[in-house]
Amino acid sequence: AQTVTQSQPEMSVQEAETVTLSCTYDTSESDYYLFWYKQPPSRQMILVIRQEAYKQQNATENRFSVNFQKAAKSFSLKISDSQLGDAAMYFCAYRSGRDDKIIFGKGTRLHILP
Amino acid sequence: GAVVSQHPSRVICKSGTSVKIECRSLDFQATTMFWYRQFPKQSLMLMATSNEGSKATYEQGVEKDKFLINHASLTLSTLTVTSAHPEDSSFYICSASGLAGGWNEQFFGPGTRLTVL
Repeated sequence: AQTVTQSQPEMSVQEAETVTLSCTYDTSESDYYLFWYKQPPSRQMILVIRQEAYKQQNATENRFSVNFQKAAKSFSLKISDSQLGDAAMYFCAYRSGRDDKIIFGKGTRLHILP
Repeated sequence: GAVVSQHPSRVICKSGTSVKIECRSLDFQATTMFWYRQFPKQSLMLMATSNEGSKATYEQGVEKDKFLINHASLTLSTLTVTSAHPEDSSFYICSASGLAGGWNEQFFGPGTRLTVL
């Protein structure tokens, strides 16, 4: 079975600074996708970034980028120029290429310090 | 982007009663919808996969007779919590699979907070 592990329950970063959230996963599959979702206090899940496992190039979306290390099964999220609106719970997630089921990590609560 | 709605957003019910939660894809057709449960300060746990016109597939440990799922159309899935008890109190989130930019993405509803007294 696939698993997703986020080892940082909480993190804090100063506004305008850079922070990296860690995620590791375990799978025996070769076809899969990885995601980072943001859940603000409203509880609405928001897709931040996604990475196809077959792509070697790390995905980027504006201030958000990932460091995808396939051999190490590591998928970290870097947030540059942190903003107050980035404060939220961040979930790392895995989706098999066989079906659409998403497995979520336990989440990391990110605090932005003004 | 695609929008998924849930109704109601909050519901309070008495122990022993049944509660129905609706999940709708507003501007796209979703052959597959998913139901998640989220306890306070915890992650989302997949409860079941709902396919239009067929029986839902439940994850291990989820009581299918307690959590009835119906996916009657390409835009509507419902979750009915039968004979609800206080331990069923939770935040329930649905998602719907739809095409976005050539990618089969899951779009999440805003969630329903269920409180069973």
